[in-house]
Amino acid sequence: QVQLVQSGAEVKKPGASVKVSCKASGYTFTAYYMHWVRQAPGQGLEWMGWINPNSGGSNYAQKFQGRVTMTRDTSISTAYMELSRLRSDDTAVYYCARVPLRRGYNPIDYWGQGTLVTVSS
Amino acid sequence: DIVMTQSPDSLAVSLGERATINCKSSQSVLYSSNNKNYLTWFQQKPGQPPKLLIYWASTRESGVPDRFSGSGSGTDFTLTISSLQAEDVAVYYCQQYYNIPLTFGGGTKVEIK
Repeated sequence: QVQLVQSGAEVKKPGASVKVSCKASGYTFTAYYMHWVRQAPGQGLEWMGWINPNSGGSNYAQKFQGRVTMTRDTSISTAYMELSRLRSDDTAVYYCARVPLRRGYNPIDYWGQGTLVTVSS
Repeated sequence: DIVMTQSPDSLAVSLGERATINCKSSQSVLYSSNNKNYLTWFQQKPGQPPKLLIYWASTRESGVPDRFSGSGSGTDFTLTISSLQAEDVAVYYCQQYYNIPLTFGGGTKVEIK
């Protein structure tokens, strides 16, 4: 069955960086985009960007341009999201979510379990 | 960016009764070349990731109970739970994938009256 297993919770100081991993199994890793979405405590969902695991190409939300980097390692079917220059308002649960790599836009159909990143001095 | 506006923010419905959630997009998410609405509905229970319920505005995901249905086109959409069950207590989000950035509605919390 499809699984997206994310790395464990992190506590970081302001100004630091965090790298969250998302290991895929149960499907062909390169056949699906990997998107990243975050959710601040008690808040809604915010899209951060995507990576094409096949090509390595990526597309980031303007809000995160210059601070976020999405990468992948196809040999271990794992996607990564690194966010730098962390601030307290980056405290959130970060989700990976897959989208079929087909022509045009397609729906998110499966989410990872989420990784809580806490930014605190 | 396409702004997604959900209403109400919360609603309380008796068990077995109908729950209706509305979602409005700031521009049409209907792609004329294929006549598809690029809209999904997700259910999120506390401490869990979102779960896909409906895509293309009205197509139920495999395994989703048929009491959940989606309707609407263009800019106005509705998620209906025909007979609310205890396990349906959750926050529901609409989301457009017509273009990037993907955007979500603010969520609607459904509770038991």
